[in-house]
Amino acid sequence: AQKITQTQPGMFVQEKEAVTLDCTYDTSDPSYGLFWYKQPSSGEMIFLIYQGSYDQQNATEGRYSLNFQKARKSANLVISASQLGDSAMYFCAMREASGGYNKLIFGAGTRLAVHP
Amino acid sequence: DSGVTQTPKHLITATGQRVTLRCSPRSGDLSVYWYQQSLDQGLQFLIQYYNGEERAKGNILERFSAQQFPDLHSELNLSSLELGDSALYFCASSSSGRRTDTQYFGPGTRLTVL
Repeated sequence: AQKITQTQPGMFVQEKEAVTLDCTYDTSDPSYGLFWYKQPSSGEMIFLIYQGSYDQQNATEGRYSLNFQKARKSANLVISASQLGDSAMYFCAMREASGGYNKLIFGAGTRLAVHP
Repeated sequence: DSGVTQTPKHLITATGQRVTLRCSPRSGDLSVYWYQQSLDQGLQFLIQYYNGEERAKGNILERFSAQQFPDLHSELNLSSLELGDSALYFCASSSSGRRTDTQYFGPGTRLTVL
């Protein structure tokens, strides 16, 4: 069965520093997608970044980058130059591709606190 | 703002009651997904619709049902509510429902069952 593991329940970082949030996944499907979402205290889920299993390069979106290590089955999110507004829950998710479905399987999340 | 709208934002009701949550997808998106976020279960996929037809089912209870209408908005119906149904319910949409799509989430409906 497909599974997403986020081993860090909580992390903190100083403002302007970089932080890495860990995500490992398990799947036997050669075609899959990995996503990161941010959930601030207001509750909405904000899409951050996507990495496809066949993508040759690591995805980047502004201050977000995804450190994709396929052999290790890891897809860590790197946030550079942290800002106070980055304080939130961060969820790693994998798209379950079997059967043509498009549902997302989420990890338990990591709560990031950015300190001034 | 993702472009996905959900109403109501908050809902407080009693056990045994029935409620309807509404979702309007982003303009042009054909696929709608429902997820439940609870403290004990985390974020769980409930059901997916594509252009009016059910496409995939997850951990959705028999007391719950959903549908997608011709104008592509979707409703999630929760009946015989129990305390454990208290959760944040998200609707997400994507353009085609294919595996390459990104799902964009609405702001959620927070359901409290007393």
